[in-house]
Amino acid sequence: DTAVSQTPKYLVTQMGNDKSIKCEQNLGHDTMYWYKQDSKKFLKIMFSYNNKELIINETVPNRFSPKSPDKAHLNLHINSLELGDSAVYFCASSQEWGRGEETQYFGPGTRLLVL
Amino acid sequence: AQSVSQHNHHVILSEAASLELGCNYSYGGTVNLFWYVQYPGQHLQLLLKYFSGDPLVKGIKGFEAEFIKSKFSFNLRKPSVQWSDTAEYFCAVTPGGYNKLIFGAGTRLAVHP
Repeated sequence: DTAVSQTPKYLVTQMGNDKSIKCEQNLGHDTMYWYKQDSKKFLKIMFSYNNKELIINETVPNRFSPKSPDKAHLNLHINSLELGDSAVYFCASSQEWGRGEETQYFGPGTRLLVL
Repeated sequence: AQSVSQHNHHVILSEAASLELGCNYSYGGTVNLFWYVQYPGQHLQLLLKYFSGDPLVKGIKGFEAEFIKSKFSFNLRKPSVQWSDTAEYFCAVTPGGYNKLIFGAGTRLAVHP
C-alpha cells in the first residue's frame, strides 16, 4: 500500500551505460515530479508532468528523458551515464498542478552510483 | 532567481531542549512555504505548510512555524525535542502560484538522549 514507489532502490553502474528508474503512485494524483538530491543533500527539481504532459523541464542535460505512460507512472531514463549523475533521485506526486499549495508526496528514492 | 536559505547546516541538541531552525527565502511575490523532514533511511514527508491565513502554522509531532512576511522568513520551532526528531529538515517554497518546490540546503538535526 505504498503511496509512491520507486524501483530500483539502489543502482550501481558503469560510466557510459544507459539506465532507467521507475516511479509509480497509487494516490490517484494528476502531477508527478523528479528531483535530484546531490551528495550535499541539496534537492533540485528536474521534471514535472501533469496529466502525462511535461510542464517543468529544468536545465537538465538531454541525456535525461522522462516518460509518463499514464498518470500513475513517471519513469526516468538516463543515457550515457556520467560520474556526476551519482545522486539520489526522488519521485514525487501531488493531487494536481494547482497554485503551488499542494503537498507533494515523495517516494523512497533511488540511490544511483556511477563508477 | 528564487532561493531558500537555511542558516544552520548542522544542529546538535539534547533531549528536551528547544529548537528553532531558520529559513529565509528570496521572492517578492506570493509564496507558499513548506517544511519537509527526512528521517534516517526514510523518504521526505511534510511537516507543515503555509499558504494563507494565520501566519503561525502548526504541524505534526509538535512542530510549528511562523511566517514573517517582512523578514521573508519561515522558521521552524519545537519547544522540546526528542531523540526521535533526529532527521534532516528542509525548508521549501513554491513561488508565484507555481507548483515547483525550491528547497533549501537542509539542516541536519541530531538529538542526544
